[in-house]
Amino acid sequence: EAGVAQSPRYKIIEKRQSVAFWCNPISGHATLYWYQQILGQGPKLLIQFQNNGVVDDSQLPKDRFSAERLKGVDSTLKIQPAKLEDSAVYLCASSPRLDEQFFGPGTRLTVL
Amino acid sequence: AQKITQTQPGMFVQEKEAVTLDCTYDTSDQSYGLFWYKQPSSGEMIFLIYQGSYDEQNATEGRYSLNFQKARKSANLVISASQLGDSAMYFCAMREGGGNTPLVFGKGTRLSVIA
Repeated sequence: EAGVAQSPRYKIIEKRQSVAFWCNPISGHATLYWYQQILGQGPKLLIQFQNNGVVDDSQLPKDRFSAERLKGVDSTLKIQPAKLEDSAVYLCASSPRLDEQFFGPGTRLTVL
Repeated sequence: AQKITQTQPGMFVQEKEAVTLDCTYDTSDQSYGLFWYKQPSSGEMIFLIYQGSYDEQNATEGRYSLNFQKARKSANLVISASQLGDSAMYFCAMREGGGNTPLVFGKGTRLSVIA
């Protein structure tokens, strides 16, 4: 079974630029999550999708972050414009049920 | 207040020895789940073990076991027979309530296994 795919793995941009990350969850997983992991901390939820609907985006900085999950499969997360404090690893996870979330390899973003 | 507290920023253990990583949690929900994940330097989050709040037996998965003490709200991870490949960050996480609610993570513990 293929795992959660994410791209790119690494991205370096300058502040005020835009960036987009892509995630393809495990086939059949209805729930998809985006987490932000700042260096030295645990992951923090940004947004949760159930199929193509948003379940929880209360911690998404909506003035600069946006996310979509068209057709309830893959998802993109965008930052526009980026700030220095957005430097982090962005993790995508998908879940088929209550007892496990499967994580992708993450995208490491550096904002200069 | 912190939902998940991991008080050990770093731990060292000798190869082949057992080690306990501490985790305490805070919730008023009766139904919740507790998870442990391993994050090697490569960055991926690897699921290790799960304990549901209504599970009466402590969860075990190979060399991993979860010491669940509900009254004390603790969910410590025990790794037996440590291996060099166990060196990584370890995160405790909780899901509150039913449904596919998101995980809330602690700050992690860095485990270093010494030969």
